[in-house]
Amino acid sequence: GAVVSQHPSRVICKSGTSVKIECRSLDFQATTMFWYRQFPKQSLMLMATSNEGSKATYEQGVEKDKFLINHASLTLSTLTVTSAHPEDSSFYICSARQGANEKLFFGSGTQLSVL
Amino acid sequence: GNSVTQMEGPVTLSEEAFLTINCTYTATGYPSLFWYVQYPGEGLQLLLKATKADDKGSNKGFEATYRKETTSFHLEKGSVQVSDSAVYFCALSDSGYSTLTFGKGTMLLVSP
Repeated sequence: GAVVSQHPSRVICKSGTSVKIECRSLDFQATTMFWYRQFPKQSLMLMATSNEGSKATYEQGVEKDKFLINHASLTLSTLTVTSAHPEDSSFYICSARQGANEKLFFGSGTQLSVL
Repeated sequence: GNSVTQMEGPVTLSEEAFLTINCTYTATGYPSLFWYVQYPGEGLQLLLKATKADDKGSNKGFEATYRKETTSFHLEKGSVQVSDSAVYFCALSDSGYSTLTFGKGTMLLVSP
């Protein structure tokens, strides 16, 4: 089946630094990618939806200047957490789909710990 | 707004035991319902789905029936295996595979 690769799987950084997370669709062209965040014992919460070549659409309450999303190609989307703080520590997951009614394929997630 | 509530884990079972993971939802209209599974170190995978009332989704011995009258989509398996140990997420969408609303996930641990 289709594979979505997410990297890194785990990152630890100092407060105030920026962290980039990559999400790649390995064997299909992803017109749409989604970014989720999951706090311990909480649901996956959608952060933003990105379509290739256009600006991401952010969910209410998600700061677009803090969570920069780039979807410059049909196989790669990146999420950059800028000036990370301890409250940004969370599990971040991406997903991708080829078309509007296509199945979603998920990355394995990135555990971000900000010290 | 939409919401999904699923039982807290971990659920700990012995091999060959019967599994039920409860899931109830709140939504307007007629959502599609899904169960996703996440094995250790892997991404979420679609396990099964149902798109209308009384539909039964099934895969790999797992089943779930879309019950509109009780707004539920409980996951069941008659005989679990150690390899079923994973985190299971119940989810819904207003249409097809559009924006998903997830439950918190339930960890299942199956011992030999």
